[in-house]
Amino acid sequence: QVTLKESGPVLVKPTETLTLTCTVSGFSLSNARMGVSWIRQPPGKALEWLAHIFSNDEKSYSTSLKSRLTISKDTSKSQVVLTMTNMDPVDTATYYCARITMIVVAPYTVLHYFDYWGQGTLVTVSS
Amino acid sequence: DIQMTQSPSSLSASVGDRVTITCRASQSISSYLNWYQQKPGKAPKLLIYAASSLQSGVPSRFSGSGSGTDFTLTISSLQPEDFATYYCQQSYSTPCSFGQGTKLEIK
Repeated sequence: QVTLKESGPVLVKPTETLTLTCTVSGFSLSNARMGVSWIRQPPGKALEWLAHIFSNDEKSYSTSLKSRLTISKDTSKSQVVLTMTNMDPVDTATYYCARITMIVVAPYTVLHYFDYWGQGTLVTVSS
Repeated sequence: DIQMTQSPSSLSASVGDRVTITCRASQSISSYLNWYQQKPGKAPKLLIYAASSLQSGVPSRFSGSGSGTDFTLTISSLQPEDFATYYCQQSYSTPCSFGQGTKLEIK
Protein backbone atom coordinates (compact mmCIF):
# COMPACT_ATOMS: atom_id res chain seq x y z
CA GLN A 1 0.00 0.00 0.00
CA VAL A 2 1.47 3.28 -1.14
CA THR A 3 1.18 6.21 1.24
CA LEU A 4 2.72 9.66 1.50
CA LYS A 5 2.43 11.92 4.51
CA GLU A 6 3.47 15.53 4.83
CA SER A 7 4.71 16.98 8.10
CA GLY A 8 5.91 20.38 9.19
CA PRO A 9 4.82 23.56 10.93
CA VAL A 10 1.26 24.80 10.57
CA LEU A 11 2.27 28.40 11.18
CA VAL A 12 5.36 30.29 10.10
CA LYS A 13 6.23 33.96 10.34
CA PRO A 14 7.04 36.18 7.37
CA THR A 15 10.72 35.96 6.33
CA GLU A 16 11.15 32.59 8.05
CA THR A 17 12.20 29.39 6.28
CA LEU A 18 9.65 26.60 5.89
CA THR A 19 10.81 22.99 6.09
CA LEU A 20 8.39 20.26 5.05
CA THR A 21 8.97 16.52 5.14
CA CYS A 22 7.23 13.91 3.04
CA THR A 23 7.50 10.39 4.47
CA VAL A 24 6.64 7.68 1.98
CA SER A 25 5.84 3.99 2.31
CA GLY A 26 4.93 1.21 -0.07
CA PHE A 27 7.63 2.17 -2.57
CA SER A 28 11.30 3.04 -2.53
CA LEU A 29 12.85 6.40 -3.33
CA SER A 30 15.56 4.40 -5.13
CA ASN A 31 13.06 3.07 -7.68
CA ALA A 32 14.29 4.29 -11.05
CA ARG A 33 10.78 4.80 -12.39
CA MET A 34 9.55 6.95 -9.54
CA GLY A 35 10.07 10.28 -7.91
CA VAL A 36 8.36 12.73 -5.59
CA SER A 37 6.96 16.17 -6.27
CA TRP A 38 5.78 18.98 -4.03
CA ILE A 39 2.65 20.81 -5.12
CA ARG A 40 0.77 23.55 -3.29
CA GLN A 41 -2.71 25.02 -3.37
CA PRO A 42 -3.62 28.39 -1.85
CA PRO A 43 -7.10 28.44 -0.31
CA GLY A 44 -9.72 28.43 -3.05
CA LYS A 45 -7.12 28.49 -5.82
CA ALA A 46 -5.51 26.16 -8.31
CA LEU A 47 -2.71 23.64 -7.92
CA GLU A 48 0.84 24.92 -8.36
CA TRP A 49 3.77 22.59 -8.95
CA LEU A 50 6.85 23.46 -6.89
CA ALA A 51 9.61 20.89 -7.32
CA HIS A 52 10.48 17.28 -7.95
CA ILE A 53 13.27 14.83 -7.22
CA PHE A 54 14.00 11.45 -8.78
CA SER A 55 15.92 8.39 -7.69
CA ASN A 56 19.07 9.53 -9.49
CA ASP A 57 18.87 12.78 -7.51
CA GLU A 58 17.73 14.78 -10.55
CA LYS A 59 15.93 17.86 -9.28
CA SER A 60 13.82 20.54 -10.86
CA TYR A 61 12.08 23.65 -9.55
CA SER A 62 9.30 26.07 -10.36
CA THR A 63 10.69 28.88 -12.47
CA SER A 64 9.15 31.60 -10.32
CA LEU A 65 10.19 30.06 -6.97
CA LYS A 66 13.50 28.51 -7.91
CA SER A 67 15.62 30.89 -5.87
CA ARG A 68 13.69 30.05 -2.70
CA LEU A 69 13.31 26.27 -2.96
CA THR A 70 15.53 23.32 -2.15
CA ILE A 71 14.44 19.70 -2.45
CA SER A 72 16.38 16.73 -1.12
CA LYS A 73 15.82 13.11 -0.19
CA ASP A 74 16.99 10.59 2.35
CA THR A 75 16.38 7.21 0.76
CA SER A 76 17.21 5.28 3.92
CA LYS A 77 14.52 7.18 5.82
CA SER A 78 12.06 7.21 2.89
CA GLN A 79 11.79 10.98 3.20
CA VAL A 80 11.77 13.91 0.83
CA VAL A 81 12.36 17.36 2.29
CA LEU A 82 11.37 20.71 0.80
CA THR A 83 12.66 24.00 2.16
CA MET A 84 11.27 27.36 1.13
CA THR A 85 13.02 30.49 2.29
CA ASN A 86 11.71 33.99 2.97
CA MET A 87 8.10 32.98 3.52
CA ASP A 88 5.38 35.53 2.80
CA PRO A 89 1.63 35.56 3.54
CA VAL A 90 0.98 34.79 -0.16
CA ASP A 91 2.69 31.43 0.45
CA THR A 92 -0.19 30.39 2.70
CA ALA A 93 -1.42 27.16 1.14
CA THR A 94 -1.98 23.46 1.51
CA TYR A 95 1.26 21.74 0.56
CA TYR A 96 1.05 18.28 -0.97
CA CYS A 97 3.68 15.73 -1.82
CA ALA A 98 2.86 13.29 -4.59
CA ARG A 99 4.50 10.23 -6.08
CA ILE A 100 5.63 10.52 -9.67
CA THR A 101 5.40 7.40 -11.79
CA MET A 102 7.20 7.36 -15.13
CA ILE A 103 6.16 5.16 -18.01
CA VAL A 104 7.81 4.50 -21.34
CA VAL A 105 5.31 4.97 -24.15
CA ALA A 106 7.73 4.80 -27.08
CA PRO A 107 11.50 4.72 -27.62
CA TYR A 108 12.97 7.78 -25.90
CA THR A 109 9.47 8.84 -24.84
CA VAL A 110 8.83 8.83 -21.13
CA LEU A 111 5.90 10.52 -19.53
CA HIS A 112 5.01 10.88 -15.90
CA TYR A 113 2.02 11.51 -13.71
CA PHE A 114 1.16 11.94 -10.04
CA ASP A 115 -0.56 8.73 -9.02
CA TYR A 116 -0.48 8.93 -5.23
CA TRP A 117 -0.83 12.03 -3.08
CA GLY A 118 -0.44 12.83 0.56
CA GLN A 119 -3.36 14.31 2.46
CA GLY A 120 -1.74 17.74 2.40
CA THR A 121 -0.69 20.07 5.18
CA LEU A 122 -2.01 23.61 5.54
CA VAL A 123 0.75 26.13 6.18
CA THR A 124 -0.25 29.62 7.25
CA VAL A 125 2.19 32.51 7.02
CA SER A 126 1.37 35.21 9.52
CA SER A 127 3.07 37.30 12.15
CA ASP B 1 7.10 27.62 -19.43
CA ILE B 2 4.00 25.96 -20.86
CA GLN B 3 0.66 27.50 -19.87
CA MET B 4 -2.43 25.34 -19.53
CA THR B 5 -5.87 26.90 -19.97
CA GLN B 6 -9.09 25.10 -19.09
CA SER B 7 -12.61 25.93 -20.16
CA PRO B 8 -15.05 26.50 -18.80
CA SER B 9 -13.92 27.62 -15.35
CA SER B 10 -17.20 26.39 -13.92
CA LEU B 11 -20.03 24.28 -15.19
CA SER B 12 -23.49 23.37 -13.91
CA ALA B 13 -24.91 20.03 -14.93
CA SER B 14 -27.41 17.40 -13.84
CA VAL B 15 -27.00 13.76 -12.90
CA GLY B 16 -27.00 11.72 -16.10
CA ASP B 17 -25.67 14.55 -18.29
CA ARG B 18 -22.73 14.17 -20.64
CA VAL B 19 -20.07 16.72 -19.80
CA THR B 20 -16.94 17.82 -21.63
CA ILE B 21 -14.10 19.90 -20.20
CA THR B 22 -11.43 21.36 -22.45
CA CYS B 23 -7.76 21.98 -21.79
CA ARG B 24 -5.47 23.89 -24.13
CA ALA B 25 -1.67 24.05 -23.97
CA SER B 26 0.32 27.11 -25.03
CA GLN B 27 2.48 24.87 -27.24
CA SER B 28 2.34 21.31 -28.46
CA ILE B 29 2.70 18.75 -25.68
CA SER B 30 2.04 15.61 -27.75
CA SER B 31 0.02 13.35 -25.43
CA TYR B 32 1.77 14.36 -22.21
CA LEU B 33 -1.47 15.35 -20.55
CA ASN B 34 -3.02 14.12 -17.32
CA TRP B 35 -6.38 14.80 -15.66
CA TYR B 36 -7.15 14.92 -11.94
CA GLN B 37 -10.31 15.17 -9.87
CA GLN B 38 -10.33 17.04 -6.58
CA LYS B 39 -13.12 17.10 -4.01
CA PRO B 40 -13.30 19.74 -1.27
CA GLY B 41 -10.75 19.20 1.47
CA LYS B 42 -9.18 16.24 -0.34
CA ALA B 43 -6.04 15.64 -2.36
CA PRO B 44 -6.36 15.39 -6.14
CA LYS B 45 -6.94 11.97 -7.65
CA LEU B 46 -5.49 10.83 -10.96
CA LEU B 47 -8.17 10.01 -13.55
CA ILE B 48 -6.48 9.94 -16.94
CA TYR B 49 -2.82 9.86 -17.96
CA ALA B 50 -1.18 10.16 -21.37
CA ALA B 51 -4.26 12.03 -22.61
CA SER B 52 -6.48 8.97 -22.94
CA SER B 53 -5.36 6.16 -20.61
CA LEU B 54 -7.73 5.45 -17.76
CA GLN B 55 -6.07 5.06 -14.38
CA SER B 56 -6.77 1.76 -12.66
CA GLY B 57 -9.96 1.85 -10.63
CA VAL B 58 -11.43 4.89 -12.36
CA PRO B 59 -14.94 4.35 -13.76
CA SER B 60 -15.21 3.93 -17.52
CA ARG B 61 -17.62 6.87 -17.80
CA PHE B 62 -14.48 9.03 -17.69
CA SER B 63 -12.55 9.36 -20.93
CA GLY B 64 -9.89 11.62 -22.34
CA SER B 65 -8.85 12.56 -25.84
CA GLY B 66 -6.63 14.93 -27.76
CA SER B 67 -3.03 15.54 -28.67
CA GLY B 68 -0.85 18.48 -29.54
CA THR B 69 -2.44 21.50 -27.89
CA ASP B 70 -6.12 20.59 -27.44
CA PHE B 71 -7.50 18.02 -25.05
CA THR B 72 -10.85 17.03 -23.60
CA LEU B 73 -12.10 15.18 -20.56
CA THR B 74 -15.55 13.67 -21.00
CA ILE B 75 -17.86 12.23 -18.39
CA SER B 76 -20.45 10.21 -20.26
CA SER B 77 -23.18 10.12 -17.61
CA LEU B 78 -22.66 12.27 -14.54
CA GLN B 79 -23.02 10.60 -11.17
CA PRO B 80 -23.54 12.42 -7.86
CA GLU B 81 -19.95 11.65 -6.80
CA ASP B 82 -18.53 13.34 -9.91
CA PHE B 83 -19.29 16.86 -8.73
CA ALA B 84 -15.81 18.17 -8.04
CA THR B 85 -13.06 20.31 -9.53
CA TYR B 86 -11.04 18.94 -12.43
CA TYR B 87 -7.48 19.87 -13.38
CA CYS B 88 -5.37 19.11 -16.40
CA GLN B 89 -1.59 18.90 -16.08
CA GLN B 90 1.16 18.70 -18.67
CA SER B 91 4.27 16.59 -18.17
CA TYR B 92 5.85 17.36 -21.53
CA SER B 93 8.46 19.64 -20.08
CA THR B 94 9.73 20.89 -16.76
CA PRO B 95 8.39 22.84 -15.02
CA CYS B 96 5.20 20.88 -15.29
CA SER B 97 2.03 22.94 -15.01
CA PHE B 98 -1.64 22.64 -14.13
CA GLY B 99 -4.68 24.29 -15.60
CA GLN B 100 -6.67 26.67 -13.43
CA GLY B 101 -9.36 24.08 -12.79
CA THR B 102 -12.97 23.51 -13.81
CA LYS B 103 -15.54 23.36 -11.03
CA LEU B 104 -18.41 21.03 -11.86
CA GLU B 105 -21.52 21.87 -9.88
CA ILE B 106 -24.98 20.39 -9.56
CA LYS B 107 -27.68 22.18 -11.54
